[in-house]
Amino acid sequence: AQSVSQHNHHVILSEAASLELGCNYSYGGTVNLFWYVQYPGQHLQLLLKYFSGDPLVKGIKGFEAEFIKSKFSFNLRKPSVQWSDTAEYFCAVNVPGTYKYIFGTGTRLKVLA
Amino acid sequence: DAGVIQSPRHEVTEMGQEVTLRCKPISGHNSLFWYRQTMMRGLELLIYFNNNVPIDDSGMPEDRFSAKMPNASFSTLKIQPSEPRDSAVYFCASIPGGGGSPLHFGNGTRLTVT
Repeated sequence: AQSVSQHNHHVILSEAASLELGCNYSYGGTVNLFWYVQYPGQHLQLLLKYFSGDPLVKGIKGFEAEFIKSKFSFNLRKPSVQWSDTAEYFCAVNVPGTYKYIFGTGTRLKVLA
Repeated sequence: DAGVIQSPRHEVTEMGQEVTLRCKPISGHNSLFWYRQTMMRGLELLIYFNNNVPIDDSGMPEDRFSAKMPNASFSTLKIQPSEPRDSAVYFCASIPGGGGSPLHFGNGTRLTVT
């Protein structure tokens, strides 16, 4: 069965620090990959997605993620975080053409002003 | 695009009462998902509909939970009778097609059962 691991459960950073959140998945075939952000009290919103092509994908709000197939990883990065990035971040995997979306347990990011 | 619309946003009820959560997917999306989010278990898929037909309800916790999709623009998730352990945020999500596209989530219903 597919699974998604997000190793960092809680991350605290100061404004302007760089961010990298880890995401690893277990599935040997082709996958679609997503990062979602959930601001306090709100719904999950898509940050970025990877289907194929350039393994470095850019999303909204200055976020980017790199797909490394050999490592089964899809880490999220942002060069300089802002206080408004305080939120929970979820990595998700989907096998193309199926309805199964597997979510990681999430990483809570707190950015100190 | 009005997005996925869920109601109510918050529901507080007493144990044993019936609870009905509602969802209107994005127009043209023919796949609908109900998820439950808790601190302990994260996001869990409860049930998946495609073209109004329940395809996978293996995530529904027990017989107290039921879901319907009478037409392409409306779905309900019912809990009867409700229990305190059902307290969670329930999200509805939709996509066009049968899979692969990013999920579009509603704002969720925060259910508290006392």
